[in-house]
Amino acid sequence: EDQVTQSPEALRLQEGESSSLNCSYTVSGLRGLFWYRQDPGKGPEFLFTLYSAGEEKEKERLKATLTKKESFLHITAPKPEDSATYLCAVLGSGYSTLTFGKGTMLLVSP
Amino acid sequence: DADVTQTPRNRITKTGKRIMLECSQTKGHDRMYWYRQDPGLGLRLIYYSFDVKDINKGEISDGYSVSRQAQAKFSLSLESAIPNQTALYFCATQSSLGNTEAFFGQGTRLTVV
Repeated sequence: EDQVTQSPEALRLQEGESSSLNCSYTVSGLRGLFWYRQDPGKGPEFLFTLYSAGEEKEKERLKATLTKKESFLHITAPKPEDSATYLCAVLGSGYSTLTFGKGTMLLVSP
Repeated sequence: DADVTQTPRNRITKTGKRIMLECSQTKGHDRMYWYRQDPGLGLRLIYYSFDVKDINKGEISDGYSVSRQAQAKFSLSLESAIPNQTALYFCATQSSLGNTEAFFGQGTRLTVV
C-alpha cells in the first residue's frame, strides 16, 4: 500500500524567511510524485511533477526536489501570497490512482 | 471557463435526502475521480472511472454511487444523506497516460443537517 507523510503539519514563516516542506513516501515503483497548492475552500492547483530521484523543478520562489524516499518543496524568500496548504501525492506501479498526504499548511506573515 | 466544473458549489440538505453532485470537464480526459476532503484527513478517494464503461470503488465508497454519463460527465450521488457526509467534495480528471497530473474542480461544499 502506498503511503505519504507530510511534515510539518503547519508552518509559520516571516516574509523572506526561507524554509522547506517535507514529503516522505513509501511506494512500490514510483511512477510520479506530484505537488499541489490549495487555497482555502478551493480545488488543489497543480505545481510540479517529479519522476525520478535527483530530479528538480522550479517555479518562481518554489523548488521541488526528489530522492528515493522523500521530496522537498523549498520556498525561497516567501511572500504572504504563498500562504496556502501544500499537498504531496504519489503514483506507484501497484496502484492506478494518486495517494495524497494530509498536507502542510503554510502561513507567511508580512 | 474552468476546465473542470462542479455543480452545485454549495449545498445544504437534510438527513435522508438524495442528492447528486455533478462534474463536467473540457480537457478531453478519459479518467475522472471523486474525492472528499475533511479537516485533518486529507483527500480521500470515493470512486473513479477510467473510461465511460469503467467504474471503480475507492477508499470510502460506502453510502455513495456514481454515474459516468459521457466522457466529459461524472456524477456522484448520495442516496440517503447523513450528517457525517458533510465535507468538501472534489472532482478531478487525468489523461489516460495515468502518470501525469490530475486537474481538480473548485469543489462542492456539502452540509447535511
